[in-house]
Amino acid sequence: DSGVTQTPKHLITATGQRVTLRCSPRSGDLSVYWYQQSLDQGLQFLIQYYNGEERAKGNILERFSAQQFPDLHSELNLSSLELGDSALYFCASSVDYGTPTYEQYFGPGTRLTVT
Amino acid sequence: DAKTTQPNSMESNEEEPVHLPCNHSTISGTDYIHWYRQLPSQGPEYVIHGLTSNVNNRMASLAIAEDRKSSTLILHRATLRDAAVYYCILKGGATNKLIFGTGTLLAVQP
Repeated sequence: DSGVTQTPKHLITATGQRVTLRCSPRSGDLSVYWYQQSLDQGLQFLIQYYNGEERAKGNILERFSAQQFPDLHSELNLSSLELGDSALYFCASSVDYGTPTYEQYFGPGTRLTVT
Repeated sequence: DAKTTQPNSMESNEEEPVHLPCNHSTISGTDYIHWYRQLPSQGPEYVIHGLTSNVNNRMASLAIAEDRKSSTLILHRATLRDAAVYYCILKGGATNKLIFGTGTLLAVQP
């Protein structure tokens, strides 16, 4: 158990809909990262927050947005969903954001299926 | 972001050592070498990291070439539970993001 929790575990929705994925980081971790894993693209970094502020952006679509709240939990919002958005979404957390020695701890993931 | 190259797959027998290679010829002087693994149906998990010297921890050892253009993750005695995709990742700069390649799928035979 990494200490990172993600809800829900599975999500099935229709094209055009909007969903929210939730992540609670490990106790004491200030950074939260979101990754997407699909069969054709592999594991891709989406976005990072540190103590409520966006710190880095990766291949995140404009239809996707995220935020980190004062209690440090984070939400990833996916809107106007398309079939290609079906994937595993992982959240990870770490203590710091700019130090390359710190490891990230990953949650169990949310499996999103768009039908 | 500097790129890494790993074999697509490797096979090992249980209780034998496994050496997983990674090439990173464009590594910069401040890049750390990190290894993560992803067990089936789970999120990635941290294995080990290093900068220049060889490193050991309870999970594995990391051997880094003198010129830092390659490294090897060593599992001293493979178990069935070590069957996973192993990712070699270079980390540096102002953010802590992980850029995953395709990794090496390790199969462990009983």
